[in-house]
Amino acid sequence: RKEVEQDPGPFNVPEGATVAFNCTYSNSASQSFFWYRQDCRKEPKLLMSVYSSGNEDGRFTAQLNRASQYISLLIRDSKLSDSATYLCVVNGGGNTPLVFGKGTRLSVIA
Amino acid sequence: NAGVTQTPKFRILKIGQSMTLQCTQDMNHNYMYWYRQDPGMGLKLIYYSVGAGITDKGEVPNGYNVSRSTTEDFPLRLELAAPSQTSVYFCASSYSIGQPQHFGDGTRLSIL
Repeated sequence: RKEVEQDPGPFNVPEGATVAFNCTYSNSASQSFFWYRQDCRKEPKLLMSVYSSGNEDGRFTAQLNRASQYISLLIRDSKLSDSATYLCVVNGGGNTPLVFGKGTRLSVIA
Repeated sequence: NAGVTQTPKFRILKIGQSMTLQCTQDMNHNYMYWYRQDPGMGLKLIYYSVGAGITDKGEVPNGYNVSRSTTEDFPLRLELAAPSQTSVYFCASSYSIGQPQHFGDGTRLSIL
């Protein structure tokens, strides 16, 4: 089983839609979870951390389910500018670097 | 703050040439990382460093070397460039191993 798995997409949604991505991770000892955003031909940028109780940042909501070992990202009222690849990131446990998923591509269409 | 700075931004190499990709950060982060990202693919960790003088291999270290003589700098060296090393290279840094990584804007390298 891969350490971090994401549906590669693409998810093609109209403006104003709500879209959700899931990501599963294999290491039950993982303690840190993040969502990054990567625009085409650009560097990954931190979108938000994911906390145990779930957290919200404007139109974005992240949730963690430790029992089933997955994290989710919900985007409400999608904008054209949300079009990007969303990377799920999980720490590898112990003193190992973060593990980046391959990403889910989102296209928001006018 | 400049954050993580990578140079050069673009480079074309001939097969067999060598070069060093530079990375420097001004956030006083102990941890630094090198990734490569092939078109349409995910990030692959090449090497990382937990502090000056300490480096460790990642997923795809073959064909690359690194050094970490200062906290700020983490150069990546290609000794004998091969077409398979054509990629976008990202350097990143973080305060600790489990904290978010901050990325430079990448070096686009083509080997012909």
